[in-house]
Amino acid sequence: GDSVTQMEGPVTLSEEAFLTINCTYTATGYPSLFWYVQYPGEGLQLLLKATKADDKGSNKGFEATYRKETTSFHLEKGSVQVSDSAVYFCALSGTGNTGKLIFGQGTTLQVKP
Amino acid sequence: DAMVIQNPRYQVTQFGKPVTLSCSQTLNHNVMYWYQQKSSQAPKLLFHYYDKDFNNEADTPDNFQSRRPNTSFCFLDIRSPGLGDAAMYLCATSRDGIGSDGYTFGSGTRLTVV
Repeated sequence: GDSVTQMEGPVTLSEEAFLTINCTYTATGYPSLFWYVQYPGEGLQLLLKATKADDKGSNKGFEATYRKETTSFHLEKGSVQVSDSAVYFCALSGTGNTGKLIFGQGTTLQVKP
Repeated sequence: DAMVIQNPRYQVTQFGKPVTLSCSQTLNHNVMYWYQQKSSQAPKLLFHYYDKDFNNEADTPDNFQSRRPNTSFCFLDIRSPGLGDAAMYLCATSRDGIGSDGYTFGSGTRLTVV
């Protein structure tokens, strides 16, 4: 079945460091791909999305490119801030799974001043 | 702003006492979902409604039920909460069920069972 695999955390970075969180997926058909962010005690917020191959999603300095050839959707940010500390979830939704949003296990990011 | 609203934010219930969690949306989306998220884990889909059609996940316990009386509201009923049901419960919506516009989540209800 469809699945999403994220790099294990926690990831600890200093402020202004470069961030990469790896995400790969397995799916039938052509899924839409998402990154969600969850701050402590909160629900999930959509960070960015891409709906077809080679699309680049971007928001708040974060970027991810839908790579069909490597089945990847890695999240990147050039300079992280303390306020970016949160849990990040990669997810997919495809036409073959009746609308389910399938999540990776989540990656905790901690940014230190 | 159009949004997904969950009430209450925090709910404490007694072991075995029925509890209902509420979700409302102003997005007029066709699909509403309920997820369970335990500490440090990914959200797990319990069930969803596509309009009035109910879709239960195969591994969702019978203890969990849902109602969607109209487009805007959806309820999660836990008939006899156990200690293992303590979790964050997330409601989400999507316009078309395939995520072309993304999925919008509420802020969640954190359920404590005592």
